[in-house]
Amino acid sequence: AQSVAQPEDQVKVAEGNPLTVKCTYSVSGNPYLFWYVQYPNRGLQFLLKYITGDNLVKGSYGFEAEFNKSQTSFHLKKPSALVSDSALYFCAVRAVTQAGKSTFGDGTTLTVKP
Amino acid sequence: DAGVIQSPRHEVTEMGQEVTLRCKPISGHNSLFWYRQTMMRGLELLIYFNNNVPIDDSGMPEDRFSAKMPNASFSTLKIQPSEPRDSAVYFCASSLGSWRGAGELFFGEGSRLTVL
Repeated sequence: AQSVAQPEDQVKVAEGNPLTVKCTYSVSGNPYLFWYVQYPNRGLQFLLKYITGDNLVKGSYGFEAEFNKSQTSFHLKKPSALVSDSALYFCAVRAVTQAGKSTFGDGTTLTVKP
Repeated sequence: DAGVIQSPRHEVTEMGQEVTLRCKPISGHNSLFWYRQTMMRGLELLIYFNNNVPIDDSGMPEDRFSAKMPNASFSTLKIQPSEPRDSAVYFCASSLGSWRGAGELFFGEGSRLTVL
């Protein structure tokens, strides 16, 4: 079975400071990993994904994530947070062999204070 | 370019009534997914289709739930009869390429269902 853990329900940072939203996963075999963002009363929006290759993945709005196979982690990062980054962030995993079935974490609420 | 379109955005109904949620995926996307989001259970995959064929419906909670995809541009999720515990936000998402691939999901805005 595959699973995702987002250990922090909430992350709070000041505008201009770096941010990290943590994600660890468990799958059999190699993973596809994704980050999505959800604003209030909206659907989820894709930010970035890791398929294979370079462990550092760059995505939309200045976000990036680092795949660490030994630690089974895929943390989301941004060098300088904006107030508009405040939202709910979801990490998702899909085992390469589990076609179609993405498992989502419980989400982390990011609050960026002015 | 139009995204995934869901209707209705909000539905309030009484227990026992039939509910039909609708979804139009992004043109050209050949995989379609139905998710349910609640505070208690988070995001749950209910069913997904590839090329209009249901691939896995193991997430459908019970026989009261059914989903169809009669063509590449339309899908429905039906609940009959509805119960208060079905209250949730239901999302439709589509993806380009094979359901075996690594394509990301494009979500609709969701249908918020309240069953009284």
